[in-house]
Amino acid sequence: QKEVEQNSGPLSVPEGAIASLNCTYSDRGSQSFFWYRQYSGKSPELIMSIYSNGDKEDGRFTAQLNKASQYVSLLIRDSQPSDSATYLCAVNPAGGYQKVTFGIGTKLQVIP
Amino acid sequence: GAVVSQHPSRVICKSGTSVKIECRSLDFQATTMFWYRQFPKQSLMLMATSNEGSKATYEQGVEKDKFLINHASLTLSTLTVTSAHPEDSSFYICSASPTSETGYTFGSGTRLTVV
Repeated sequence: QKEVEQNSGPLSVPEGAIASLNCTYSDRGSQSFFWYRQYSGKSPELIMSIYSNGDKEDGRFTAQLNKASQYVSLLIRDSQPSDSATYLCAVNPAGGYQKVTFGIGTKLQVIP
Repeated sequence: GAVVSQHPSRVICKSGTSVKIECRSLDFQATTMFWYRQFPKQSLMLMATSNEGSKATYEQGVEKDKFLINHASLTLSTLTVTSAHPEDSSFYICSASPTSETGYTFGSGTRLTVV
């Protein structure tokens, strides 16, 4: 069983719509959860972090965490073509300066 | 915010030669840095954890004698690919964080091509 699972996509949404990206993780004791955006040929960029159950909003981005279901998601409102990228879910299983486990990433395509 | 600088951004080398990649934390001290490798259309693969003042911790299957890591100061970690071969061609990325509670910031990456 993979530690962090994501659908590789591609996920296609029309411009202006809400894009919903999902991620599940296997380690129930995981502490910290992150979403990274990676454009083709570039390194990942941290866009959201979430540590407790519930929603966390930052601009057009909302991260949602449900530790009971071991599920974390990222919503992108008013999707723009510039949001087209691969979104990586990352989990820090133990807290502290521990290695972060990444999912394979979901490729998002926003259609103008 | 936390800034991680990585150099060079792109390098082409001949088979059998060695290449050094530098990763610097510009506005914070990093006792721990991580080195990743990413092949085209694949996810990030953690190669090793670089620890300031001590030996690096390598992931299973990563040859420590081929990928030498030195973390001699709180702001600099280096990865040296020794005796490079074409199959080592990849995108190498480092990451670090100023605190243990926040997400890791990535360097801009180094695209290595071995010819």
